[in-house]
Amino acid sequence: GAVVSQHPSWVICKSGTSVKIECRSLDFQATTMFWYRQFPKQSLMLMATSNEGSKATYEQGVEKDKFLINHASLTLSTLTVTSAHPEDSSFYICSAETGTYNSPLHFGNGTRLTVT
Amino acid sequence: QKEVEQNSGPLSVPEGAIASLNCTYSDRVSQSFFWYRQYSGKSPELIMSIYSNGDKEDGRFTAQLNKASQYVSLLIRDSQPSDSATYLCAVSHTGNQFYFGTGTSLTVIP
Repeated sequence: GAVVSQHPSWVICKSGTSVKIECRSLDFQATTMFWYRQFPKQSLMLMATSNEGSKATYEQGVEKDKFLINHASLTLSTLTVTSAHPEDSSFYICSAETGTYNSPLHFGNGTRLTVT
Repeated sequence: QKEVEQNSGPLSVPEGAIASLNCTYSDRVSQSFFWYRQYSGKSPELIMSIYSNGDKEDGRFTAQLNKASQYVSLLIRDSQPSDSATYLCAVSHTGNQFYFGTGTSLTVIP
């Protein structure tokens, strides 16, 4: 149980375009989902916390107008990278927790974004 | 001070040896502790959860928690080359906030 599905697994886009990444909890309802970014050989960096039905909470230094997060249902959160630039190329990973006491985070398989 | 600290390594052990990974955390009210394994280019996967003081064993993995010392560790017995990965320690206070260490890179040498 507690499966998180993330799509696409990789995407290549041209500079200036937008890319949408979907994160779905397949067998549980996720009130809260988390979006991370990871550059090669670096640690996970939390970008934002996504709450169903409300605005996302962004970490310091993360541009909310560039990284649009929508959590419209209890099983789906989306991250849209707007006007992507080569420096946005990274590994984006979503995660969710089931909401039960002491439950761990479950991660999607990640999306590797390359902006040319 | 960081919430969760790990030795970044790299840690190298020969095949068949015990690998010992350590993690300290700063907030005494932390309640839940997790170890994740991350292979290069992949997302983290949960391998162990521990919530109370003492040892918890699952196959070749043993997690150890000492809340008084604010210390959690992961032992991997009979290490295999397939265990080569980065191991992330994570701590949760309230269930909707998770703090990750920077990870320890483990290499198991055949």
